[in-house]
Amino acid sequence: EPEVTQTPSHQVTQMGQEVILRCVPISNHLYFYWYRQILGQKVEFLVSFYNNEISEKSEIFDDQFSVERPDGSNFTLKIRSTKLEDSAMYFCASRFRTSGLQETQYFGPGTRLLVL
Amino acid sequence: DAKTTQPPSMDCAEGRAANLPCNHSTISGNEYVYWYRQIHSQGPQYIIHGLKNNETNEMASLIITEDRKSSTLILPHATLRDTAVYYCIVRVAGNQFYFGTGTSLTVIP
Repeated sequence: EPEVTQTPSHQVTQMGQEVILRCVPISNHLYFYWYRQILGQKVEFLVSFYNNEISEKSEIFDDQFSVERPDGSNFTLKIRSTKLEDSAMYFCASRFRTSGLQETQYFGPGTRLLVL
Repeated sequence: DAKTTQPPSMDCAEGRAANLPCNHSTISGNEYVYWYRQIHSQGPQYIIHGLKNNETNEMASLIITEDRKSSTLILPHATLRDTAVYYCIVRVAGNQFYFGTGTSLTVIP
């Protein structure tokens, strides 16, 4: 069964450093998402991406964040200058289409980011 | 946004049916009810979704009341591996899913 994959599974970085989290969505999916979950808290939406551009973003997704689909298969989340509060699990998700509200998002296993 | 209300926690004996309730009294006519679960800190796993008819798949059954103001997810024979946080989500207009705090289900041997 096709699945969303994410790399790395864990990443430790120093405050102020740039990190890039990578995702490979399901191959025929067209819509891509990043969510995050701070330890012990809810899963929060960050951004959605379609047709090579951001379609929606939350208040969390500020200028320090960016997304890209560099090669038609990978979908990346970049944090330019990490802060301690960026420590969280980051989940990528994808779905096939938006013909209605019923389309299901499939999530990857997540990347655990720790900022020291 | 249509909100959902779920009990914070439930227990279920292994092998018995787990019935997880969800209230969504402000749901609009074209919004679907989705159920996901999250085991430990893994990525949310899709379980089932429905509009107004009851639905069943290999994982679970979804019972939606006729007025659509509430639903119940049924795991027919709970196993220890079903211990997880279960999220009931009503899909709002737009792309993202809003995850609440969910129900923490513990399956007891």
